[in-house]
Amino acid sequence: DGGITQSPKYLFRKEGQNVTLSCEQNLNHDAMYWYRQDPGQGLRLIYYSQIVNDFQKGDIAEGYSVSREKKESFPLTVTSAQKNPTAFYLCASSPQGNNQPQHFGDGTRLSIL
Amino acid sequence: AQKVTQAQTEISVVEKEDVTLDCVYETRDTTYYLFWYKQPPSGELVFLIRRNSFDEQNEISGRYSWNFQKSTSSFNFTITASQVVDSAVYFCALSGGSNYKLTFGKGTLLTVNP
Repeated sequence: DGGITQSPKYLFRKEGQNVTLSCEQNLNHDAMYWYRQDPGQGLRLIYYSQIVNDFQKGDIAEGYSVSREKKESFPLTVTSAQKNPTAFYLCASSPQGNNQPQHFGDGTRLSIL
Repeated sequence: AQKVTQAQTEISVVEKEDVTLDCVYETRDTTYYLFWYKQPPSGELVFLIRRNSFDEQNEISGRYSWNFQKSTSSFNFTITASQVVDSAVYFCALSGGSNYKLTFGKGTLLTVNP
């Protein structure tokens, strides 16, 4: 079945540690996105990529980094510079065009040890 | 700048009641798109509907209906004869202009009690 796979489902980070969240899609979508969800805050855009080897910062990119080396993959690294990383992270993808609905993965819940 | 307001933080109803979730948006774009998503307790967001700014026709899909009114910048969502399985967080979202960014509201938590 086509879809978006995020892994792991739960992740724990120690102080000063970088962690990487995986996002893979087999929908042949050009665009991919990372969102952060905090209780009562809705979804906020971290980074997005409209095409391979290109990506743009969203509204809350500080402390995060991404890469887009393959169409299917858009990993997100939460760096030690992100001081409040505890949140639910959602990856999404869509065809080209701002009228296209985004399709979401099941999310990764990141917590601090 | 774009903004989406979902003023209802939480709504609780009894099964079979009708319920309306409100969404008010702000945008300077003349062409824009509005979306509703459902987030069940499992966490993934499920796409429900898309509406473009030139189409003000109401839409009905089973027990779900949507009312889009440009005059009041609103895109409200009604569930008729609610069921326990409708319990979820519902998000309204907006995109427009030349970028792909979706601006989300903060969501409405709907609880349907048996």
